[in-house]
Amino acid sequence: EIVLTQSPATLSLSPGERATLSCRASQSISIYLGWYQQKPGQSPRLLIYDASNRATGIPARFSGSGSGTDFTLTISSLEPEDFAFYYCQHRYNWAMSFGQGTRLEIK
Amino acid sequence: EVELVESGGGLVQPGGSLRLSCAASGFTFSNYWMTWVRQAPGKGLEWVANIKQDGNQKFYVDSLKGRFTISRDNAENSLYLQMNSLRAEDTAVYYCARDHTIQTNWYFDLWGRGTLVTVSS
Repeated sequence: EIVLTQSPATLSLSPGERATLSCRASQSISIYLGWYQQKPGQSPRLLIYDASNRATGIPARFSGSGSGTDFTLTISSLEPEDFAFYYCQHRYNWAMSFGQGTRLEIK
Repeated sequence: EVELVESGGGLVQPGGSLRLSCAASGFTFSNYWMTWVRQAPGKGLEWVANIKQDGNQKFYVDSLKGRFTISRDNAENSLYLQMNSLRAEDTAVYYCARDHTIQTNWYFDLWGRGTLVTVSS
């Protein structure tokens, strides 16, 4: 079973700042990693798939990078609506799992 | 309108069973892998199961194999999750979601609002 570990658990930043969220896999998953945003009381929203591809309608300030075991979600300049929970998700070897999440909060 | 709507959640006693449904509309349901994902109160997302377009391939998280069964009826544009021998730790909001392309990608871009399952005596 592949375990995804996200860091930090909580990230406190101000609007306009750059956010860098990390996700580490317990073994290599090539590029098979996605990122989701979830706001309280809402369903998850797909941001990034296959490590670096933005999903339809996702603003360009969201970008993803990485391969193997280390992945990063970057939000170049935080907008007020970006403060939320973020989850990474792998899909490898006919299984899936999510990381435990990073809470991005307003400083 | 393209949407997924879950139903069937509620209060069930430990050891009981429940069948969740997910009604799809606005797209060709039979073209997509589908998934169930759950979220315990105040916790993160947990994958439950995936099912292929024709229903002939199903994959489950190891911890739930044998208790939960995913199925679909393409004629009815519906996805199902049969849950047996329910435990308190199965208490969660259960989401159904659709793969973001008609290929096998297992990234999910269309989600329902979820249905709450509470297992308690």
